[in-house]
Amino acid sequence: TQTVSQSDAHVTVFEGDSVELRCNYSYGGSIYLSWYIQHHGRGLQFLLKYYSGNPVVQGVNGFEAEFSKSDSSFHLRKASVHWSDSAVYFCAVRRPNYNVLYFGSGTKLTVEP
Amino acid sequence: DTTVKQNPRYKLARVGKPVNLICSQTMNHDTMYWYQKKPNQAPKLLLFYYDKILNREADTFEKFQSSRPNNSFCSLYIGSAGLEYSAMYLCASSRPGGGNTGQLYFGEGSKLTVL
Repeated sequence: TQTVSQSDAHVTVFEGDSVELRCNYSYGGSIYLSWYIQHHGRGLQFLLKYYSGNPVVQGVNGFEAEFSKSDSSFHLRKASVHWSDSAVYFCAVRRPNYNVLYFGSGTKLTVEP
Repeated sequence: DTTVKQNPRYKLARVGKPVNLICSQTMNHDTMYWYQKKPNQAPKLLLFYYDKILNREADTFEKFQSSRPNNSFCSLYIGSAGLEYSAMYLCASSRPGGGNTGQLYFGEGSKLTVL
């Protein structure tokens, strides 16, 4: 069984701050993890993924995430946020058969001016 | 064009009435998915089509039907809506084998309100 836990339902930061959104997973097989962003009224959009290799992966708009097998984590980070980064962020783990994703409950990021 | 379109965007239904939601994509993706999203909850996978093969999650097996008459279209059908079906329904698609990234392409959702 694959599960994803996002412990923070809401995170508020100021523009220019750094931010880390946390994701922990539970799965014993081959790991495929990803992050998606959902702006208000829009569909979920792919940010980045980790499958193998370098545990730090880069995504769009300055986002990066780091995979840690020892911590069962895949936290998302950005060094300097912009107001347009305000959105809900979802972490996901992929089932090994078919390209099926299971999502966490999401973290709503609010960037204050 | 990497868009997934869903209709209707908003649907109001009476308890006990049927509901049919439509999704389309023109990217020739082989897999199409339906998720249910309730406030403050994770998107919950209901079912997916891999080509013409329907796969339904065990805990939603009896509650939702689906059809995929061709590669581009996929519907989600609720035979008798209950209050618990009120949610946002998200359709997504993905490339054959998931492509290089395994990413899913999502529509903007269909918000169902059951009264």
